[in-house]
Amino acid sequence: DAGVIQSPRHEVTEMGQEVTLRCKPISGHNSLFWYRQTMMRGLELLIYFNNNVPIDDSGMPEDRFSAKMPNASFSTLKIQPSEPRDSAVYFCASSSGQGAADTQYFGPGTRLTVL
Amino acid sequence: GQQVMQIPQYQHVQEGEDFTTYCNSSTTLSNIQWYKQRPGGHPVFLIQLVKSGEVKKQKRLTFQFGEAKKNSSLHITATQTTDVGTYFCAPNTGTASKLTFGTGTRLQVTL
Repeated sequence: DAGVIQSPRHEVTEMGQEVTLRCKPISGHNSLFWYRQTMMRGLELLIYFNNNVPIDDSGMPEDRFSAKMPNASFSTLKIQPSEPRDSAVYFCASSSGQGAADTQYFGPGTRLTVL
Repeated sequence: GQQVMQIPQYQHVQEGEDFTTYCNSSTTLSNIQWYKQRPGGHPVFLIQLVKSGEVKKQKRLTFQFGEAKKNSSLHITATQTTDVGTYFCAPNTGTASKLTFGTGTRLQVTL
């Protein structure tokens, strides 16, 4: 079975540009999570969806970040405009439970570099 | 709010030595999960502990949940180079809507 799929795997962009990260969760999973990982801040939850509805977006850093889940098999995380401090690895994860405390399956991540 | 301390931050051992990482919470936990992230990889679920005092083993890995359900440990017996990576605890209070990952313990194993 395919795991969580993320694209692109690597993204290099210039400050001010729009960046869109994509995620396809495991089929049948009804919860989806976006995380950001940096050396300084560790693994941070940005937002999570349950049944395509955003449940907790308290981790979204600021208005430049937005996330959508138009259907059960696709989600996007958009940064507009991007800044160098957004450079990080962004992970998408999914789970089959109702809450964020269920076992999560992570995608391979997108390594974002903003110059 | 919940505070999660994971210690040590980093440990370097010789292959064959044992290794232990600890996860300590300021609040009583409903359960706790452990994940491993290899260098350049993504976190992978290892195990979940639910009961007070619970001990679970996976080959050379032993996971323990404290009696008070405020702390947990992961012990690796006779480390191998394949154990290299960062080990994260992810405690859950049962009331929070999200997992909070610990800061992780990075394990380096050399021959």
